[in-house]
Amino acid sequence: AQSVTQPDIHITVSEGASLELRCNYSYGATPYLFWYVQSPGQGLQLLLKYFSGDTLVQGIKGFEAEFKRSQSSFNLRKPSVHWSDAAEYFCAVHAMEYGNKLVFGAGTILRVKS
Amino acid sequence: DTGVSQNPRHKITKRGQNVTFRCDPISEHNRLYWYRQTLGQGPEFLTYFQNEAQLEKSRLLSDRFSAERPKGSFSTLEIQRTEQGDSAMYLCASIASGGTEAFFGQGTRLTVV
Repeated sequence: AQSVTQPDIHITVSEGASLELRCNYSYGATPYLFWYVQSPGQGLQLLLKYFSGDTLVQGIKGFEAEFKRSQSSFNLRKPSVHWSDAAEYFCAVHAMEYGNKLVFGAGTILRVKS
Repeated sequence: DTGVSQNPRHKITKRGQNVTFRCDPISEHNRLYWYRQTLGQGPEFLTYFQNEAQLEKSRLLSDRFSAERPKGSFSTLEIQRTEQGDSAMYLCASIASGGTEAFFGQGTRLTVV
């Protein structure tokens, strides 16, 4: 079955430390890939997206993500986390052959300790 | 443009009552989506419109749920005979014609008591 997996439900990092949030997908072809962030009680904001080309994509707020076809992964990274990055992060996939819609992972809650 | 707007932001209703939510997308965005999000889960697709046509519905959308987008602008999502299991955040998103980025509203949080 087609799915998006975010293996980590919670991650806690110290302010200033690096961050990597994992995302794996299972679709036949390479879908469009997205990372969204959601603060409590708010809607989702797009951080970055990958369609094709350079497998390392830059996004807003200093985030980047790397697409690895061999691993069906699209991990989100940030070199130095700020306290304001505490939020929930969602990986999402858009694969047209399965409908014109985004399919989301279950999310990873990021906690930042000072 | 103020982005995607959803009303109300919060709704508390008694089990068995009907509720209706409204979504105003970004103007001229022709695609509009409804998602449902429960605690600890990512958003789950419910349905989507291209202009006024409802093109896809999830199996999650039982016959108690109905969505409309009568003039291809705003949309409403109605839940009839609400159940406690309907308690969730209902998110609306819109996408421009030919675009790929979904812009989300802040959601309507429904609590069924």
